[in-house]
Amino acid sequence: AQTVTQSQPEMSVQEAETVTLSCTYDTSENNYYLFWYKQPPSRQMILVIRQEAYKQQNATENRFSVNFQKAAKSFSLKISDSQLGDTAMYFCAFMKHMNRDDKIIFGKGTRLHILP
Amino acid sequence: EAGVAQSPRYKIIEKRQSVAFWCNPISGHATLYWYQQILGQGPKLLIQFQNNGVVDDSQLPKDRFSAERLKGVDSTLKIQPAKLEDSAVYLCASRQGGTLAGGLFSYEQYFGPGTRLTVT
Repeated sequence: AQTVTQSQPEMSVQEAETVTLSCTYDTSENNYYLFWYKQPPSRQMILVIRQEAYKQQNATENRFSVNFQKAAKSFSLKISDSQLGDTAMYFCAFMKHMNRDDKIIFGKGTRLHILP
Repeated sequence: EAGVAQSPRYKIIEKRQSVAFWCNPISGHATLYWYQQILGQGPKLLIQFQNNGVVDDSQLPKDRFSAERLKGVDSTLKIQPAKLEDSAVYLCASRQGGTLAGGLFSYEQYFGPGTRLTVT
């Protein structure tokens, strides 16, 4: 069974700083997706960034980038030039690369506070 | 494009009462999910539908929880009778399913705002 572990329950950083959120996972699969989801205080979960396991290049989306280490089963999220609107719960998530078996396994989340 | 709609947004009930939640997925999305998110934890999948058929309900407490997706569109999740430990946010999500134009796998799930249930 797949598991996702986020070891940082809560973090705080000053606005404009860079912050890295950690995630490790365990799987015997070779093909899968990894995601970071953001859940602001209003509760609607939105996708921040995704990484396909077969791609060696780390995904980037504007100020968000990942450090994907497949052998180490590590998938960290870096937020550059952090903004107040980045304050949210962040969930690391895993999904098998299969059309019907697409259940997402979520970690417990990291609560991120961006301080003015 | 309208997002995933859920109602009600908040519900307070006493233990042993019944409650129902409603979800309207994004138009055309074949796959629908119900998650339970207990405070301080990540969402846990309760049930997954592909059109109006159940794909996975292995973590649904079937003695008290039930869900249906009539006509493969809207879905309802019911709890009867509720227990204190059912207090949580219930999230609905949908995914297009299959492949997108160009053969890309449609991986993204779109979430609704959730229903916060408090059982007293």
